[in-house]
Amino acid sequence: NAGVTQTPKFQVLKTGQSMTLQCAQDMNHEYMSWYRQDPGMGLRLIHYSVGAGITDQGEVPNGYNVSRSTTEDFPLRLLSAAPSQTSVYFCASSYRLPGGVGYTFGSGTRLTVV
Amino acid sequence: GIQVEQSPPDLILQEGANSTLRCNFSDSVNNLQWFHQNPWGQLINLFYIPSGTKQNGRLSATTVATERYSLLYISSSQTTDSGVYFCAVDFGNEKLTFGTGTRLTIIP
Repeated sequence: NAGVTQTPKFQVLKTGQSMTLQCAQDMNHEYMSWYRQDPGMGLRLIHYSVGAGITDQGEVPNGYNVSRSTTEDFPLRLLSAAPSQTSVYFCASSYRLPGGVGYTFGSGTRLTVV
Repeated sequence: GIQVEQSPPDLILQEGANSTLRCNFSDSVNNLQWFHQNPWGQLINLFYIPSGTKQNGRLSATTVATERYSLLYISSSQTTDSGVYFCAVDFGNEKLTFGTGTRLTIIP
């Protein structure tokens, strides 16, 4: 049981390049989300999905695209990288039951845009 | 707007000490979570606690929803407890909002 797998772990991009951060989970969770964490700050929600085919914007969606074609995968696309997108990116999946809600996070992708 | 405030921002304790971390939030919550981010960056979900009290080993959490605050207690601290503790809330819109965290350092 791998949990939430994020790839790559590290990436350096030039301004204007595009790339996709991959996220896959094997827990059959309906809810998945992407966050960014900047130095000294908490995590901020970029986009989330409550199930295959359904996505919505979080707090900081500009410059990012997502899609959810399967329950397992939730890739995050950077359309045209900017230095302001230098950050650590975390993907999470969660279960939601009447008795509780629990989250599993991936190990993160450290992205530098030069 | 939505606010989640944590205090203190930093806490340095000797191994074996107890600590209390606080999270204040600005509105009624559907979902309140506590997370621990270890020094290597990994985030672990500690508690789901929109109200009431829960305990898990040396850690316990209490949320008083009517007064809009939650407390995380760590007893008999160990060096492995070091890291950043985050409170995060969902005000009913499926969007989790994180506080800025409390950085805990346990000295051997």
